[in-house]
Parts: sequence; C-alpha cells; structure tokens
Amino acid sequence: GAVVSQHPSRVICKSGTSVKIECRSLDFQATTMFWYRQFPKQSLMLMATSNEGSKATYEQGVEKDKFLINHASLTLSTLTVTSAHPEDSSFYICSVDSGMGTDTQYFGPGTRLTVL
Amino acid sequence: TQLLEQSPQFLSIQEGENLTVYCNSSSVFSSLQWYRQEPGEGPVLLVTVVTGGEVKKLKRLTFQFGDARKDSSLHITAAQPGDTGLYLCAENRGSNYKLTFGKGTLLTVNP
Repeated sequence: GAVVSQHPSRVICKSGTSVKIECRSLDFQATTMFWYRQFPKQSLMLMATSNEGSKATYEQGVEKDKFLINHASLTLSTLTVTSAHPEDSSFYICSVDSGMGTDTQYFGPGTRLTVL
Repeated sequence: TQLLEQSPQFLSIQEGENLTVYCNSSSVFSSLQWYRQEPGEGPVLLVTVVTGGEVKKLKRLTFQFGDARKDSSLHITAAQPGDTGLYLCAENRGSNYKLTFGKGTLLTVNP
C-alpha cells in the first residue's frame, strides 16, 4: 500500500495562532486525500475531502474558513487550523485514496494538536 | 446519526484468551473494512469483506461477514499483548469513497 507521512507528528500552540499540518503521499500520486479528526477514545470523523487542483469538500458542521485545506500537488495536502482554540485540540489524521476505484485508503500516522 | 454500531466498546482480557467483537448496521453494507489503530498512530487496514457469508483469516484473526451483509465480526484466537489497540469497522456508503467509521472497540490484552 501507499506510504503516507504527516508533519509534524505533534504540535503545541497558543490559543489564537494558526497551525499547518502536512500530509504527504511518499510513493503514490494522490488525486484525493481525506482529513479526519479523532478525539480521545472516539472514532475518526471525516472533516473534508481534499481534491488536487480544486477546492476541498467539507463535511456538514466543519467550518471551511477555520480549517483551510490546500492540495496543490499530487503528493501533498495541507490542513491549516486558523485561530486555534483549546477545543480544536485533537488527533488529526489524513488518508490517501488508493485510486483503484475501491474503498481502500491508506492512513497517515496522525498529528496530535494541543492548543493551550 | 450513528450508522455503524460496534460492541463491546471496551474489552480487557488476559493473554491467551479468545475474543469476538462485532460491527452492526440497520442497513446493508456495500462492503466493510476492519482496521486496527494503535495509540498515537493512524489506522491500519486489516481486511475488506464484500460478499455475504464471507470468511477471511489473517493469522489468528478471523473475519466474518453476515449473510445479509448487515453485520460483521472479528474473532481473535489466543490473544497476545501485541493485539492491543482500537479495532474499527468502516464502510463506504457513497460513490465518492468516503469512509464512515464505527466508534470502535478498545481492546487491551494483559500479559
């Protein structure tokens, strides 16, 4: 399967600052990537679908102006949490669609965001 | 609305014991995936089941897909501490490959 990396693996920031998280597909060209958020002891909740060269599609209840997604190349998607607040503290995980016309996604290792 | 229900939510057992966890839905799955997620890491795909009644084995893990494709189970034989993790089932209900996850079963295998 595809190898997916995320950077940083963990970040601590002050309330009101913006944080950028990178998701890279290391060995696979990804037209579509997905961003998930996971709170402690809870499941993954899809935030948005990132499409290379076009605007991201956000799930209901996810603020697009707060969670900015850029998918400028086939190997990189970025999620920027703008004006972060403590309630944005979570585990953010990206995944890459396999592109095989199936349900298969390959997940990154996640980024732990803590907003003080 | 919770589309996938997983049970039990938590499970703590001793090494060597067997266990089964479940994933259920009120509607038919098109296909179902099982993942294991270790703390601080992303989920790793274990298996995809597609056909009703299908049984797949992965070493000590046995996955079953119900005949009606509304439920699935994961059975682990002789559990080991390395099996500890969050077991998630997930389904694609649309045509855009978006996955919906269940809440997961948090398994702890004590040595």
